[in-house]
Amino acid sequence: QSVLTQPPSVSAAPGQRVTISCSGSTSNIGNNYVSWYQQLPGTAPKLLIYENDKRPSGIPDRFSGSKSGTSATLGITGLQTGDEADYYCGTWDSSLSAVVFGGGTKLTVL
Amino acid sequence: QLQLQESGPGLVKPSETLSLTCTVSGGSISSSSYYWGWIRQPPGKGLEWIGSIFYSGSTYYNPSLKSRVTISVDTSKNQFSLKLSSVTAADTAVYYCARQTIYYNWLDPWGQGTLVTVSS
Repeated sequence: QSVLTQPPSVSAAPGQRVTISCSGSTSNIGNNYVSWYQQLPGTAPKLLIYENDKRPSGIPDRFSGSKSGTSATLGITGLQTGDEADYYCGTWDSSLSAVVFGGGTKLTVL
Repeated sequence: QLQLQESGPGLVKPSETLSLTCTVSGGSISSSSYYWGWIRQPPGKGLEWIGSIFYSGSTYYNPSLKSRVTISVDTSKNQFSLKLSSVTAADTAVYYCARQTIYYNWLDPWGQGTLVTVSS
């Protein structure tokens, strides 16, 4: 049972837009910064979004992040088959004094 | 650029202690801006943060693992290490090390990961 809640899977066609939600509480998302990670099959997770809505260099602007209250959202536009991966949200939980992750969302590009 | 590499035994017997080391290259572990963390991922499952350490030795641990986990740092070797005691099959996972920013707590970069299997 993960502290942060994500949908297990999402799917969309190439070229379309998809969003992945991440729901938490005031002890985590509500009062801390959210990051997002992309894990391609068989590889280590890679930072996709940090500090709610910032992209590391090299991450295309097709990827975006936002936060409102105790929820965060990852958006991906212009879907490509290479975007098929597991996506995780993460943040600090002030009550646990620990980094917490969502359970992960598997993106399928149909 | 900064790189992290995990090393250690790939097979550990039940009830024994799992020991892994993360070697940091391309930058100093003695930075005041970062913690250094361990994360694991059981086969087919999601990510679980284990804990992290500052170069001074200050640590944070996942409450669910705290009684069995020790993370230490060796600044002279630019390495930090994980020890997980009394392991069971449930501790079988890919173990990653990563750099963790202070305050913002995002993790980047990550090591490639190492699979540790707990089996007799």
